[in-house]
Amino acid sequence: DSGVTQTPKHLITATGQRVTLRCSPRSGDLSVYWYQQSLDQGLQFLIQYYNGEERAKGNILERFSAQQFPDLHSELNLSSLELGDSALYFCASSLPPAEQFFGPGTRLTVL
Amino acid sequence: AQSVTQLDSQVPVFEEAPVELRCNYSSSVSVYLFWYVQYPNQGLQLLLKYLSGSTLVESINGFEAEFNKSQTSFHLRKPSVHISDTAEYFCAVTTQGGSEKLVFGKGTKLTVNP
Repeated sequence: DSGVTQTPKHLITATGQRVTLRCSPRSGDLSVYWYQQSLDQGLQFLIQYYNGEERAKGNILERFSAQQFPDLHSELNLSSLELGDSALYFCASSLPPAEQFFGPGTRLTVL
Repeated sequence: AQSVTQLDSQVPVFEEAPVELRCNYSSSVSVYLFWYVQYPNQGLQLLLKYLSGSTLVESINGFEAEFNKSQTSFHLRKPSVHISDTAEYFCAVTTQGGSEKLVFGKGTKLTVNP
């Protein structure tokens, strides 16, 4: 158990819908990272927050947004969903510059 | 920008045989290097890391990796594998002093056969 929690574990929704993925970091970690894992793209970095502020942005679509709240949990919002958004979404946390610890992931299926 | 190449997408081996999973990286600045393991239907677990110091790093379950700066490599080795080592292994890099985002290789699926 990494200490990083993610909810929900599975999410099935339809094209055009909007979903919210939630992540709670390990106690003491200030940074939260979001990654997408798909068969064709592999593991891709989406976005990083550090103590409530956006710190780095990767290959995140404009339809996707994230935030980190004062209690340091984070949410990833995915809107206008397309079939190609089906993937595993991982959250990780760290106290930079140390290693990142990953949550169990949320498997999103868009039908 | 950094990149990571894992040269083998699949590596089948027999139990108790040695194995090497290859990883090469590209970066114009100094890096930190990691190996993560993903068991079926699970998240990523940190296997070992190179941050500084000794170029040979070891995990608690018998894996080791050696950072070779001149060859820009960080190959993962185990002298004798077990069935339970069957998993996907990801090499990852992040830059020192920059964004802490991890750049991953495409993964190597290790299958240990009896």
